[in-house]
Amino acid sequence: DAGVIQSPRHEVTEMGQEVTLRCKPISGHDYLFWYRQTMMRGLELLIYFNNNVPIDDSGMPEDRFSAKMPNASFSTLKIQPSEPRDSAVYFCASSLSGTGPYGYTFGSGTRLTVV
Amino acid sequence: QKEVEQNSGPLSVPEGAIASLNCTYSDRGSQSFFWYRQYSGKSPELIMFIYSNGDKEDGRFTAQLNKASQYVSLLIRDSQPSDSATYLCAVETSGGYNKLIFGAGTRLAVHP
Repeated sequence: DAGVIQSPRHEVTEMGQEVTLRCKPISGHDYLFWYRQTMMRGLELLIYFNNNVPIDDSGMPEDRFSAKMPNASFSTLKIQPSEPRDSAVYFCASSLSGTGPYGYTFGSGTRLTVV
Repeated sequence: QKEVEQNSGPLSVPEGAIASLNCTYSDRGSQSFFWYRQYSGKSPELIMFIYSNGDKEDGRFTAQLNKASQYVSLLIRDSQPSDSATYLCAVETSGGYNKLIFGAGTRLAVHP
């Protein structure tokens, strides 16, 4: 299994531009999570999906952030317009049946820098 | 009050010693607890899962859970320089929401 695949690995963009992060979960996993990690705030849950349906988006910082999961093998996190304070590492994770004994499997992350 | 609290460290231990990492949580209804290891520049990887009070051992790792005290810990025996990483405690929220809340992590440094 290739694991959770995220793209791009690195993204540098100018303030005000639209940024789209992509994630392919592990085949068969029915939960998908988007986290953001910064030195100041640690690992924060932004949103998660179950069977492609958004369940909890209470962690999405503001309307500039949106996430979609059009099918079981693909999800996007979009920031429009981007701001320097959005600079962070964004992780996608997937799991089988939520928080069972195998926990979440994380992708390699996307390091976003907004200048 | 943070939902999951950890000492940020760094915790410095000599090679071969026991490293003890601690975590407290605020949600009394939480039932599942995880320890993740994260090397610098890498993604978190699961190393331990525990849900019953007491100890759970896996190789050099032992997780300890005390729900009454809302406390979970990780012991690493015979610490190796390759154990140097940040250790994240994660707690499942109660209420059936199936989401993990992570602590800020404790940085462990094992020196030869």
